[in-house]
Amino acid sequence: GENVEQHPSTLSVQEGDSAVIKCTYSDSASNYFPWYKQELGKRPQLIIDIRSNVGEKKDQRIAVTLNKTAKHFSLHITETQPEDSAVYFCAASRQGAQKLVFGQGTRLTINP
Amino acid sequence: NAGVTQTPKFRILKIGQSMTLQCTQDMNHNYMYWYRQDPGMGLKLIYYSVGAGITDKGEVPNGYNVSRSTTEDFPLRLELAAPSQTSVYFCASSYSRGGLIINQPQHFGDGTRLSIL
Repeated sequence: GENVEQHPSTLSVQEGDSAVIKCTYSDSASNYFPWYKQELGKRPQLIIDIRSNVGEKKDQRIAVTLNKTAKHFSLHITETQPEDSAVYFCAASRQGAQKLVFGQGTRLTINP
Repeated sequence: NAGVTQTPKFRILKIGQSMTLQCTQDMNHNYMYWYRQDPGMGLKLIYYSVGAGITDKGEVPNGYNVSRSTTEDFPLRLELAAPSQTSVYFCASSYSRGGLIINQPQHFGDGTRLSIL
């Protein structure tokens, strides 16, 4: 079955700097890759997703890149702000399967 | 719309007790899911359902049961609670059109924090 590895497990950056979180997946048939943000004690919330027919997607300060050949995808947050502090999860699934396999999470801390 | 609603928010059980975690959604989503999240870990799929009357196992189904009698509701049953089932449980839903099934974002409830002592 699918396996998703996420790195790093913790990340601390200065406010205004960029943050990058990386995930690798094992199933070459996976074609949907969402990213979720989870604040302490809250529900996971989708922040961006990408499908295998594109290599990059942007939404304001957030971008996701996908390398299908290497089977890895990354989340990029630019101009980080204190409210970006949270745990971020990547996930992967096959087309039609709808089942998500999640990475272990990255705790991002933005230092003022 | 309320989205995905889970009850209760918190519960403490004794070993061997049983309980049902409730989940309902008002978005007319056909897919529903149950995940557990252990401290400092990612989410693991327990069971999922592609529509009323259809359920299937996820990664960690042992010790749990589900049913899906309506589109809106997807309860999760713990029959004999064990300390290893102490976790936060999230219900989620998504919608996928017929024909070529395209993965769609999953929407999560606020979770149920369950402790078994």
